[in-house]
Amino acid sequence: EAGVAQSPRYKIIEKRQSVAFWCNPISGHATLYWYQQILGQGPKLLIQFQNNGVVDDSQLPKDRFSAERLKGVDSTLKIQPAKLEDSAVYLCASSLSALLNTEAFFGQGTRLTVV
Amino acid sequence: GENVEQHPSTLSVQEGDSAVIKCTYSDSASNYFPWYKQELGKRPQLIIDIRSNVGEKKDQRIAVTLNKTAKHFSLHITETQPEDSAVYFCAAVYNTGKLIFGQGTTLQVKP
Repeated sequence: EAGVAQSPRYKIIEKRQSVAFWCNPISGHATLYWYQQILGQGPKLLIQFQNNGVVDDSQLPKDRFSAERLKGVDSTLKIQPAKLEDSAVYLCASSLSALLNTEAFFGQGTRLTVV
Repeated sequence: GENVEQHPSTLSVQEGDSAVIKCTYSDSASNYFPWYKQELGKRPQLIIDIRSNVGEKKDQRIAVTLNKTAKHFSLHITETQPEDSAVYFCAAVYNTGKLIFGQGTTLQVKP
């Protein structure tokens, strides 16, 4: 079974530039999560989708971050403009359905460095 | 608010000893509590989970206990081995299915 795919693996950008991350969840998984993990901290939930609807985005800095999940499958997370404090690993995860309390599987993550 | 508190932040044990990590959650409606292990530079991976209709669950050297009244749950690792060294995260699923993580515990098992 293929896992959660993320790209790119690494990205270095200058502050005020824009960047986009892509996630392809496990086939058939209805729930998709984007987390931000700063070094030494736990994953912080940015946004959670159930199919193509947003379940929660209360922690997403909406002035600079945006995310979409077209057709309830792939998802993209965008940052525009980036700040130094956005340097982190961005993890995508998916589960069969969060409403059924099923396991969340993580992708390898995208390590973003803002200089 | 919706959060999960995890303690301790670091834990060092001798090989063969036991390790215990504790977490508390704030939403009494939460009913699913997974534990993840993250090795350096790798993705978090589920090691064990527990649902609210169960007080304890065991899988070989790993066990998790849940006290719904006190809103506490704990991870117990017995007979620790150097390969158990990693960062461990507890998590709780809140009402809408939000999966919230604790801050993590760095476990070091000394040979």
